[in-house]
Amino acid sequence: GQQVMQIPQYQHVQEGEDFTTYCNSSTTLSNIQWYKQRPGGHPVFLIQLVKSGEVKKQKRLTFQFGEAKKNSSLHITATQTTDVGTYFCAGQGYSTLTFGKGTMLLVSP
Amino acid sequence: DGGITQSPKYLFRKEGQNVTLSCEQNLNHDAMYWYRQDPGQGLRLIYYSQIVNDFQKGDIAEGYSVSREKKESFPLTVTSAQKNPTAFYLCASSIVQGNYGYTFGSGTRLTVV
Repeated sequence: GQQVMQIPQYQHVQEGEDFTTYCNSSTTLSNIQWYKQRPGGHPVFLIQLVKSGEVKKQKRLTFQFGEAKKNSSLHITATQTTDVGTYFCAGQGYSTLTFGKGTMLLVSP
Repeated sequence: DGGITQSPKYLFRKEGQNVTLSCEQNLNHDAMYWYRQDPGQGLRLIYYSQIVNDFQKGDIAEGYSVSREKKESFPLTVTSAQKNPTAFYLCASSIVQGNYGYTFGSGTRLTVV
């Protein structure tokens, strides 16, 4: 079955530093989605990427979808303490999403 | 406000007892999903349903059962056959087609003692 790997598992940064999480799929994806889960909360949808090579920005967050549609990345510029949480990528399969295990981001002030 | 309601937030049960987790949505979404989340394991799909009176097994369906008698409701029963039921359970819904993500409920944390 489809597998989605995400690295790193965990990252601790100082406020103001940049952060990147990477997602790789074992199969070509029709689209990829990104979610954020705050500590003690539930996943919240951030964005969906559909086109090969697509790049989308949301304020300090930049999302990329690889040319082969098998990998993706989320980059946060100048992290803030409000960025703390676990970031999940999810690849679209035939009927459902397959989630990566997530990258937990801790930001120290 | 539209959304997904999961209840209860915390649930304690004795080993060997079946327990049903509630999930209700008023988003008019056709598809609903149940995920299980364990520390460091991400989200694993238990069951999903894309239409009333129909549902499909996910990756870890053993020991669980569901029903979809109404579009708004997708309850999950954790049976005594589930060997390790203590976990955080998340319900989600979505439009079947289109560039929209899943909307998740706030989850139910089940502890079996």
